[in-house]
Amino acid sequence: EDQVTQSPEALRLQEGESSSLNCSYTVSGLRGLFWYRQDPGKGPEFLFTLYSAGEEKEKERLKATLTKKESFLHITAPKPEDSATYLCAVPVVNYGGSQGNLIFGKGTKLSVKP
Amino acid sequence: EPEVTQTPSHQVTQMGQEVILRCVPISNHLYFYWYRQILGQKVEFLVSFYNNEISEKSEIFDDQFSVERPDGSNFTLKIRSTKLEDSAMYFCASILAGTSGSLGETQYFGPGTRLLVL
Repeated sequence: EDQVTQSPEALRLQEGESSSLNCSYTVSGLRGLFWYRQDPGKGPEFLFTLYSAGEEKEKERLKATLTKKESFLHITAPKPEDSATYLCAVPVVNYGGSQGNLIFGKGTKLSVKP
Repeated sequence: EPEVTQTPSHQVTQMGQEVILRCVPISNHLYFYWYRQILGQKVEFLVSFYNNEISEKSEIFDDQFSVERPDGSNFTLKIRSTKLEDSAMYFCASILAGTSGSLGETQYFGPGTRLLVL
């Protein structure tokens, strides 16, 4: 069964204190791994897509990396405005080869204190 | 920047009543999805829709649920007879199919409708 597991569930950092969030997955044939940011009461906001092991993508203080079994979201010198829940998701492949639903992890709730 | 929009942002209803949640996907997108998120839980898939028909649905999407694309822009989710456990955030998402179809394409989510069933 395809699964996505994120850790830690919650992470508290001081402003400027760098850290990493983990997303491990078990899927038959990865067709992309997606990172989203979700603010309270809002919809998931797209951050990155990674397709193959060794791939890295960066956006401001965030960098996402991918291995064959897991992905990391590295946060460098975070600011209070980076506080949010970060979600990881992988797509299911339909029999017809189209993209089915995304399977989400539970997310990591990041709090950055000034 | 194009975005997925959803209305209403909040909906309060009585158990047993019908509700219709509306979504306007990004204009040139071809694949559409509904997800829900019960407070404090994972985002869960409900249904996918392509070419005016359901592509796939989850176990959650029972006979009380239906989807429709009544015109070229709107995509709706109807719950016929709401239950207390239907209280959740409902998200619409859409994909622009690339040259190789939808696989690997990014799903863009709307801001959600918070449904409260009393």
